[in-house]
Amino acid sequence: DTEVTQTPKHLVMGMTNKKSLKCEQHMGHRAMYWYKQKAKKPPELMFVYSYEKLSINESVPSRFSPECPNSSLLNLHLHALQPEDSALYLCASSQDDRAGGGYNEQFFGPGTRLTVL
Amino acid sequence: GNSVTQMEGPVTLSEEAFLTINCTYTATGYPSLFWYVQYPGEGLQLLLKATKADDKGSNKGFEATYRKETTSFHLEKGSVQVSDSAVYFCALGDNFNKFYFGSGTKLNVKP
Repeated sequence: DTEVTQTPKHLVMGMTNKKSLKCEQHMGHRAMYWYKQKAKKPPELMFVYSYEKLSINESVPSRFSPECPNSSLLNLHLHALQPEDSALYLCASSQDDRAGGGYNEQFFGPGTRLTVL
Repeated sequence: GNSVTQMEGPVTLSEEAFLTINCTYTATGYPSLFWYVQYPGEGLQLLLKATKADDKGSNKGFEATYRKETTSFHLEKGSVQVSDSAVYFCALGDNFNKFYFGSGTKLNVKP
């Protein structure tokens, strides 16, 4: 299984709603990522988990809250979002082989298209 | 610091034309380099990679060579097809699990 899955595919939410995005991989990868991608732009890194611990937070507003319940799952909890948060949210995973000097490719999911009204 | 610069698009070619998309980078240390492709409404797919200087990555007729002397990783294909129309991202991976993406180059291939 070389796939990263994301649910839901589309999400529309109001500014007072609470919702969650889910990501799952079964490749045995120990690093997982959340990215935000606006139209016609490259992905912007939000968070990195390494061995289920948060290792990078790119100064993301607290209305985005990541969670890594186990090595296969990654969630992004959303609360009190703003319309400018509307974007494609991408999850990715990779081997975490930094100790061996390996800089491994990231495998991306298809994304969740989020619209905040 | 680390960064990636890609040629501006869009690039419009006729089918069977030769493709080059330029990518240059600045880096501390010894990064890995990648090309990803994104089709409309989809996530990013790895196209090819190179992990050290002089490595050549190749896949589906696309090639790129990791050139340390010119800090470049240009993407090439000898004969493009309409199905190659997509956005192509050059990326640099550092040793902290962090990727640096170029701005993306949209490729339009006309029949």
